[in-house]
Amino acid sequence: GAVVSQHPSRVICKSGTSVKIECRSLDFQATTMFWYRQFPKKSLMLMATSNEGSKATYEQGVEKDKFLINHASLTLSTLTVTSAHPEDSSFYICSARATTEAFFGQGTRLTVV
Amino acid sequence: AQSVTQPDIHITVSEGASLELRCNYSYGATPYLFWYVQSPGQGLQLLLKYFSGDTLVQGIKGFEAEFKRSQSSFNLRKPSVHWSDAAEYFCAVARIDDKIIFGKGTRLHILP
Repeated sequence: GAVVSQHPSRVICKSGTSVKIECRSLDFQATTMFWYRQFPKKSLMLMATSNEGSKATYEQGVEKDKFLINHASLTLSTLTVTSAHPEDSSFYICSARATTEAFFGQGTRLTVV
Repeated sequence: AQSVTQPDIHITVSEGASLELRCNYSYGATPYLFWYVQSPGQGLQLLLKYFSGDTLVQGIKGFEAEFKRSQSSFNLRKPSVHWSDAAEYFCAVARIDDKIIFGKGTRLHILP
């Protein structure tokens, strides 16, 4: 099946710094990718839809300036958490649709100290 | 608005026993429905999916699910669970614009 690679799998950063998370579709092209956030013992909450070559579409309540999304190519979308704070600590997961199925990355555990 | 409800937060079954995880959805048309499994600290793995056709869907690892339009349900079943099935299970529905909406998940515990 199709593979979505997410990097890094874990990152620890200092409060106030920025962190970039990459999501790559390895064997298919994805014009649309999705970014989710998962709090401990909670479901996945859709943050935004990343569209290749255009601006991302954010869900209500998600700060666009804090969570910068770039989808520069058909195989790569990036999520940058800017000026990270401890409350941004979470598990972030990307997803890419290939025809009728969605494939998920392995997730990134972000810890802001 | 589209939504997915998983009424059971935790389910505990004995190894070898049968399993049914409940899922109800709210959607304006025939939905795309999915079941995913997540092991601790890991990403999501697709167990099975329903788009159309036969309402009984077979998935990986011996799982199956039945789409019942009249009940707006898509329950996941397995006739005999294994200790390795302990994980978090998410039911999901795909919206028209391709966004997947997840239920809150059901944590499955297996007793030896």
